[in-house]
Parts: sequence; C-alpha cells; structure tokens
Amino acid sequence: AQTVTQSQPEMSVQEAETVTLSCTYDTSESDYYLFWYKQPPSRQMILVIRQEAYKQQNATENRFSVNFQKAAKSFSLKISDSQLGDAAMYFCALKVASGSRLTFGEGTQLTVNP
Amino acid sequence: KAGVTQTPRYLIKTRGQQVTLSCSPISGHRSVSWYQQTPGQGLQFLFEYFSETQRNKGNFPGRFSGRQFSNSRSEMNVSTLELGDSALYLCASSSTGSEQYFGPGTRLTVT
Repeated sequence: AQTVTQSQPEMSVQEAETVTLSCTYDTSESDYYLFWYKQPPSRQMILVIRQEAYKQQNATENRFSVNFQKAAKSFSLKISDSQLGDAAMYFCALKVASGSRLTFGEGTQLTVNP
Repeated sequence: KAGVTQTPRYLIKTRGQQVTLSCSPISGHRSVSWYQQTPGQGLQFLFEYFSETQRNKGNFPGRFSGRQFSNSRSEMNVSTLELGDSALYLCASSSTGSEQYFGPGTRLTVT
C-alpha cells in the first residue's frame, strides 16, 4: 500500500516571496510517479508538476520546482515569486507505475498575502 | 483540446434514491478514473476504466458502480444514496498512464 503525508495543513506567504510545501510518502515499489496538484476555490484539480522516480534531476515548471529526495521519500514543492493566483489547496500525490490510482495527501492550504 | 467535462455540476438527491454522474475524457484518452472528495476522508479512489473494462477498484461498497462506453465516456452510479455519499466526485482521464487530468467535478448533496 502507498501512503502520502502532508504535515502542513496551512501555509502563508507574502506576494513575490518564496514558499516551500512539504510532502513525504511511502511505497515499496521502485517505479512510481509523484505529482503536485493545485485545487483553487473553483475545486478544479490542476496538475502543477510531475516527477518520475527514476529521474535524479528535479522537475521544474516555470515558478514551480520540486526537491525530490528519493532515499528520504520526500517530495517538496517550491513556489518562487508567489502570486495571488497561487492561493489554493495543494495536494501531493503518488502513483505507482504498475497501478492506476493516485494516492493523495491531506492537502496544504496556501494563502498568499498582498 | 477540450478538457475533461463532467455533468451535471451540481446535484441534490434524497436518501434512498440513486444517481448517475457522467464524465467525458480528453479526446484520445482511454483511461478514466473516479475519485470521491470529502472534508473528512479527503480524496479517495473509486475505480478506473480502460477500454470499457474496470481495471482497478477502490474500497467502496457495491452501491458504487461504473461503466465506460466505446467512445471512452464514463458513467458512475450510486444506488440507495446515504447522507455520507455527499461529496465532490472528480473524474480524471489519462493517456499515458502517468499523469491524470481532472474535470471540474460534480457536487452531490444527499438530503
């Protein structure tokens, strides 16, 4: 079985500053994918970034980047130059390559202060 | 490409009734997964369909069922609704089997 844990229920950041959201996971599989999804008040789940476990290089998508520590089973999301539109619930998710389900963490509610 | 669409967006039903939710995946995507989101349980996997076959199932009672049509559109059915079935039901489609793209969800309220 897979588990994903997000230990920060809430985070806040000032506009234009940088914030890091934490995520730890557990799986016995060696081939898996990790994701960060964003869910704004509209409730539409939006894919922010993905990381393949076999890749050592950390994924980057514009202002979003991850710090993937495979041995520690840690997968944090860094948001640079935070914008008001970044305010949302952020979910960390895991999918093993041999399966189809996403296992989600509890979510981190991010507030961006002007 | 158009995104994942779900209908209806909002639904109010009475305990004991049944409900059918619909999901149209992104064109070309053959995999459709369903998730239930509640404040207490978070996001939980219901089932996944691929080429009209249920490929994976979560830990939900038999009242929850689904199907997929030849055009990859999927429906989810909940029979004998209970108050605890009130939730946001999210559908996601995938082509590669890695990332999943979500629809806007159907908000179901059971009274």
